Amino acid sequence: DVKVTQSSRYLVKRTGEKVFLECVQDMDHENMFWYRQDPGLGLRLIYFSYDVKMKEKGDIPEGYSVSREKKERFSLILESASTNQTSMYLCASSSPRQGLYEQYFGPGTRLTVT
Amino acid sequence: AQKITQTQPGMFVQEKEAVTLDCTYDTSDPSYGLFWYKQPSSGEMIFLIYQGSYDQQNATEGRYSLNFQKARKSANLVISASQLGDSAMYFCAMRERGGSTLGRLYFGRGTQLTVWP
Repeated sequence: DVKVTQSSRYLVKRTGEKVFLECVQDMDHENMFWYRQDPGLGLRLIYFSYDVKMKEKGDIPEGYSVSREKKERFSLILESASTNQTSMYLCASSSPRQGLYEQYFGPGTRLTVT
Repeated sequence: AQKITQTQPGMFVQEKEAVTLDCTYDTSDPSYGLFWYKQPSSGEMIFLIYQGSYDQQNATEGRYSLNFQKARKSANLVISASQLGDSAMYFCAMRERGGSTLGRLYFGRGTQLTVWP
């Protein structure tokens, strides 16, 4: 069964902390994505990756970085967390070998920065 | 400009009735795909249905169908015989085939559907 997992469902951090959000997929997918979801704004793409060690900026990359050292793992890093980064973070993966390119999503991490 | 527009922040429907959730899109790429996802209150995103730009017929998956009107650039989701479990946020999304952004989806802002007994 297809699976994308995220390291935490809920996370509370303090302003200025370095935060790591981890995402792992077991489908051998090439593409991985990080989104943030805010009420009324839908899903906005932060970063994505097509291959190991490759990354592309999405629509709102400011304040975030990513790391993809292994195919199955894609990490989102908040270098210095701020209160405006309080949000739901969703990870997804997909593959060009699957004709629809549908994205499979993890359960999400609800991050609160205080 | 928004690539995906969902103009209904919230919709209400009575159980067993049909409901249409609107989605319009904007692209100059002749080859694209349109997706609908469901997000229940638990938070997971569930893929519902897909329509390719060259597909001749409207997509259907059980109680879900996609009313695809290419000339109007609309891809409305129709849910027939609504059930209480259909209450959720629904997102329309688009993938363009051209360019270097293979695989990325553009999402709308979503429509919150509430089904009442």
